[in-house]
Amino acid sequence: GIQVEQSPPDLILQEGANSTLRCNFSDSVNNLQWFHQNPWGQLINLFYIPSGTKQNGRLSATTVATERYSLLYISSSQTTDSGVYFCAVIRRGTDKLIFGTGTRLQVFP
Amino acid sequence: EAGVAQSPRYKIIEKRQSVAFWCNPISGHATLYWYQQILGQGPKLLIQFQNNGVVDDSQLPKDRFSAERLKGVDSTLKIQPAKLEDSAVYLCASSLSQAPYEQYFGPGTRLTVT
Repeated sequence: GIQVEQSPPDLILQEGANSTLRCNFSDSVNNLQWFHQNPWGQLINLFYIPSGTKQNGRLSATTVATERYSLLYISSSQTTDSGVYFCAVIRRGTDKLIFGTGTRLQVFP
Repeated sequence: EAGVAQSPRYKIIEKRQSVAFWCNPISGHATLYWYQQILGQGPKLLIQFQNNGVVDDSQLPKDRFSAERLKGVDSTLKIQPAKLEDSAVYLCASSLSQAPYEQYFGPGTRLTVT
């Protein structure tokens, strides 16, 4: 099956810092989503981005489908950004969402 | 538009007891998913419904887990009897029934089995 690896596994930042999270996947996909799982366990949709670049406030994401990776950028981080960030993909020809290994982000004041 | 609703948010039971979770998907979403998320891991798909039919239940431990979606809208997931290793967050998600299958998740139910 498709492999989805995220890096770094853990990230500790001070408030105001910028960060880049990476997601590598091993096969062609027709769906890629980024989620933020908050400390209460809820998965919040950040981006649906199978290719190209999108921005939403302090967050932006870029997926280069031909090279099989996606990047999530967080600028001017805030303590509320803490939690686990997952990317998840659907391999072309299937309808199953496969989650990556996650990046745990802690932002300190 | 209203999101995916789940209840209860938290549940604590003793091993060998039974428990049920409820999910109401986003209006118009024909596909409904139940995931189990063990602490420190990504969500794992348990079962997928299309309308009121099961599409995939290959990862559902059928000796103790059951799920139904009788009218093609809301769904219940039941565990009977519960084991200690069932302690997890149970997430419900929904999507339209055609590509790209963008999924939206509910707030989850955190189950603790003692």
